[in-house]
Amino acid sequence: GAVVSQHPSWVICKSGTSVKIECRSLDFQATTMFWYRQFPKQSLMLMATSNEGSKATYEQGVEKDKFLINHASLTLSTLTVTSAHPEDSSFYICSAGLAGGGSEQYFGPGTRLTVT
Amino acid sequence: QKEVEQNSGPLSVPEGAIASLNCTYSDRVSQSFFWYRQYSGKSPELIMSIYSNGDKEDGRFTAQLNKASQYVSLLIRDSQPSDSATYLCAVNAYTGGFKTIFGAGTRLFVKA
Repeated sequence: GAVVSQHPSWVICKSGTSVKIECRSLDFQATTMFWYRQFPKQSLMLMATSNEGSKATYEQGVEKDKFLINHASLTLSTLTVTSAHPEDSSFYICSAGLAGGGSEQYFGPGTRLTVT
Repeated sequence: QKEVEQNSGPLSVPEGAIASLNCTYSDRVSQSFFWYRQYSGKSPELIMSIYSNGDKEDGRFTAQLNKASQYVSLLIRDSQPSDSATYLCAVNAYTGGFKTIFGAGTRLFVKA
């Protein structure tokens, strides 16, 4: 149980284009989903927390107009990296929790984004 | 002061030995504590959660929590080379709302 999928698993895009990453909870309803970014050999960095049906809460320093998050249903959240630049190249990982911030998080397999 | 602190390692142990991973946290109201394992290039995987003081055992893994000392640890018995990974300690803390705070992780290397 508690399986989270992400799509795509890797993507290469040109600078200036936008990329959408999907995160789905396959066998449970996720009231809260989290989006993380991880650069090589560095720790997880929480980007934002999204609750179904409401606006995402972004961490300090994360541009909400650049990283658009939509959590339209209890099983799907999307992250769109708009006008991507090479410095946005990273490993993006979503996770889902059963309750707001206080429970275990189940991670998706991650999406490796390379911006050329 | 970082909210969740871990020794970055690498911690190197021989195969079959006990690996001991430690974590301290700063928020006294924290109630939930987690250990995640992350292999290189992969996403984290939950391996243990603990909510009350004492020990919690699951197979070769034992989590230990001491809220008075704000300390949580993970013991891995009979360490295997496949246990070589980065272990992330995570603590549920209240920062204007509950949030899970991750430590930077400890790299474990089990030598065959």
